[in-house]
Amino acid sequence: DTEVTQTPKHLVMGMTNKKSLKCEQHMGHRAMYWYKQKAKKPPELMFVYSYEKLSINESVPSRFSPECPNSSLLNLHLHALQPEDSALYLCASSPREENEQFFGPGTRLTVL
Amino acid sequence: AQSVTQLGSHVSVSEGALVLLRCNYSSSVPPYLFWYVQYPNQGLQLLLKYTSAATLVKGINDFEAEFKKSETSFHLTKPSAHMSDAAEYFCAVKGFQKLVFGTGTRLLVSP
Repeated sequence: DTEVTQTPKHLVMGMTNKKSLKCEQHMGHRAMYWYKQKAKKPPELMFVYSYEKLSINESVPSRFSPECPNSSLLNLHLHALQPEDSALYLCASSPREENEQFFGPGTRLTVL
Repeated sequence: AQSVTQLGSHVSVSEGALVLLRCNYSSSVPPYLFWYVQYPNQGLQLLLKYTSAATLVKGINDFEAEFKKSETSFHLTKPSAHMSDAAEYFCAVKGFQKLVFGTGTRLLVSP
């Protein structure tokens, strides 16, 4: 298995909802990442997990809560989001932090 | 700190023409450089990478890039554009624990 999968593909949520995004890889990669991408912009790094421990939080608001239950799985828990949080959320993984990253297809999030 | 600059937010070519997408980098250490492609509503796909082994790097779909230290450049080329190459292209440099992306170049291919 040589890909990163993300579910759901699309998500619409209200500002009071709680939802989660899921990312999975079975390549044995030890670093996993969450990015946010707005239209016509490059991806913006949100979080980095290395060996299942949070190593980077790019000053992301607490309404975004990452979780790495095991080396293959990465979740992003969402609560009380704002309409400006609507974006494409990308997950990526790499063998180690210094290697190239492999991206999933993304979750298109719309906050109403 | 590492950074990349992509010259030209849009590049238009005709099908069959040479593709040239420009990327200049800034790095205080020998850089690791990458080109990614993103098709509409999809994730990023790695085209190629430079990790100091060879200055001319070949990637997927006949893309290649040449690392020129004297010019601090890592331009992406393809000899003959296909309609299917129309997409957003991102140059990136390896920073401390993360990738630093350029602003992207949209490649438009006309018949």
